[in-house]
Amino acid sequence: SQTIHQWPATLVQPVGSPLSLECTVEGTSNPNLYWYRQAAGRGLQLLFYSIGIDQISSEVPQNLSASRPQDRQFILSSKKLLLSDSGFYLCAWSGQLDTEAFFGQGTRLTVV
Amino acid sequence: GIQVEQSPPDLILQEGANSTLRCNFSDSVNNLQWFHQNPWGQLINLFYIPSGTKQNGRLSATTVATERYSLLYISSSQTTDSGVYFCAVSDRGSTLGRLYFGRGTQLTVWP
Repeated sequence: SQTIHQWPATLVQPVGSPLSLECTVEGTSNPNLYWYRQAAGRGLQLLFYSIGIDQISSEVPQNLSASRPQDRQFILSSKKLLLSDSGFYLCAWSGQLDTEAFFGQGTRLTVV
Repeated sequence: GIQVEQSPPDLILQEGANSTLRCNFSDSVNNLQWFHQNPWGQLINLFYIPSGTKQNGRLSATTVATERYSLLYISSSQTTDSGVYFCAVSDRGSTLGRLYFGRGTQLTVWP
């Protein structure tokens, strides 16, 4: 069966520091991969999606970037964090032929 | 993108009560999913239901795609049902699992 792993679960980082969040999927090949952010107030917003290695699309201009160096690995990065980057970040995957999405456990990021 | 509206925004129930959560969407969809966000933040898949009716234990869901709405029914509520319930949809013309989320319904079940 397919599983998705996301780490770390929580992170406290100072303003101006770099960020790297990692997500990996097991049990499937060539998945579509996504990064979402959930700010206070419950709504989830898509940040990036990827349909293949090194193929990244950005939904919202921001201080973050994403990379997909391997088929089942998706990384969310920042060179210098801002206070406004605080939030709950969720990685998700879906199959190529099926649009049902499955989510990781999320990373709660606090920028101080 | 597609607009997704969920109602009610908040719902408070006593254990054992039944409830209906509604999701309206603004355009034709390829996918509709219901999620439960647990206290730790994880999104748990409840239903993948672009049309029709499905049941899983005390939960059931119905999507009427032609009228652009979906309903999630929770029967005999338990305290463990508490949390936020999200409806999310994807564009009919898209093969991606890219989802547009509603703002959720916060359900609180008291013992």
